[in-house]
This record gives sequence, C-alpha cells and structure tokens, in this order.
Amino acid sequence: KNQVEQSPQSLIILEGKNCTLQCNYTVSPFSNLRWYKQDTGRGPVSLTIMTFSENTKSNGRYTATLDADTKQSSLHITASQLSDSASYICVVSAGREYGNKLVFGAGTILRVKS
Amino acid sequence: DGGITQSPKYLFRKEGQNVTLSCEQNLNHDAMYWYRQDPGQGLRLIYYSQIVNDFQKGDIAEGYSVSREKKESFPLTVTSAQKNPTAFYLCASSGNSGDFSEQFFGPGTRLTVL
Repeated sequence: KNQVEQSPQSLIILEGKNCTLQCNYTVSPFSNLRWYKQDTGRGPVSLTIMTFSENTKSNGRYTATLDADTKQSSLHITASQLSDSASYICVVSAGREYGNKLVFGAGTILRVKS
Repeated sequence: DGGITQSPKYLFRKEGQNVTLSCEQNLNHDAMYWYRQDPGQGLRLIYYSQIVNDFQKGDIAEGYSVSREKKESFPLTVTSAQKNPTAFYLCASSGNSGDFSEQFFGPGTRLTVL
C-alpha cells in the first residue's frame, strides 16, 4: 500500500531556532516528492519538489533532502520565524502506472514561539 | 492561492441537504481536482477532471458529484448520501493533463453539518 508517514505530528520551537521534519514513504514506483506549507484555514503552498535523482533542494530558509534508497525525506528550517508556524505536508507522486497520483502525508504541525 | 478561488469560505448544511462548493481558476489549467482534508489525515482525492466534459472518481467519491462544463469551473456537490461531510474541502488545478504533480491549491471551503 502506498503510504507517506510524517514525524513528529507536532513540534514547538523558539523563534530563531532550527528544526527538521521527517517524511518516510512506501510509494513505489516514485516520481517526485514535494513539501507543502499550509497555514491554518488556507490551501497548501508548494515549498520544494525533488525527483529521485536529486538529494537536496533549497528555498530560502527551507532545505529539503531526499534519500530515494531508504525512501526518506527531511525538511530543515533554519532560523525559524513566527510566520513559519503552519502545517508542513510531504507529498509523493506515484509513477505513471498509478496515473501520477499524489499520496499525502498527514502533516507536521509546527508552532514557533517568541 | 494563485488564481484559484473557492466559495464560500464557510458553509453550513443541515442533514439531508445537498450543497455545492464552487471552484474557479484563471490559470488556463486543463486539470482540476477536489480533495477532502480531515484532522490528522492526509488529503484524500474525491474527483478529478483532466479535460472539459470529462471527470473521474478519486479514492472517496461516494456521496459526491461534480461537473466540468467549463475549463475554468469545477463545482463539487456534497449530497445527502455523504454520511460524514464535515471537513475542509480543497480544490486544485494543474497545467499538464494527466500529471498530478504540479498542483496549485485554492484557499478551501470548510463545510459543517448542523
């Protein structure tokens, strides 16, 4: 069964600190992996996308890594800001034989405190 | 939210009523999607449409119906047959028919059954 598991479920950190969110997946075959940020009551917004040949991708203070061999990804947030408080969702795209459908993780809820 | 609008933002329904959620996009995207989001779960696909006048069931289509009469519009009707409709509903669109990956999300509609 194609699944995406994220950890931790929730996280509280102090402003200015770094944090790392984890994503493990069993989706196979694999096309690409994307991290989304979702503010409360809003739609998800894409942060990064990586294909199986990429092992790191940065977007400002967000850096995503991918290990396609172990089927693990992480999202590292540097120098956190209050505006980083949101849910972070890992999404894996299955291959063409699955119609390139997306499999969503449940998300990690991040709260940044001052 | 990038050119995708959903209305209303909040919707209340009495049991036994059908309600329709609106989704409009001005991105000239061919494909549109409806997802349902429940607390602690990943997004689940309800219906998708890759081209005008055509749509397919997703993973949880029972109790829902859609139409795609115009490229810009993909309304979702939640029927009385949907036994647990209270959820956050997200509409998305993508520019490449058949490729689920490059999806842009609307701001969502929160439906509550009274």
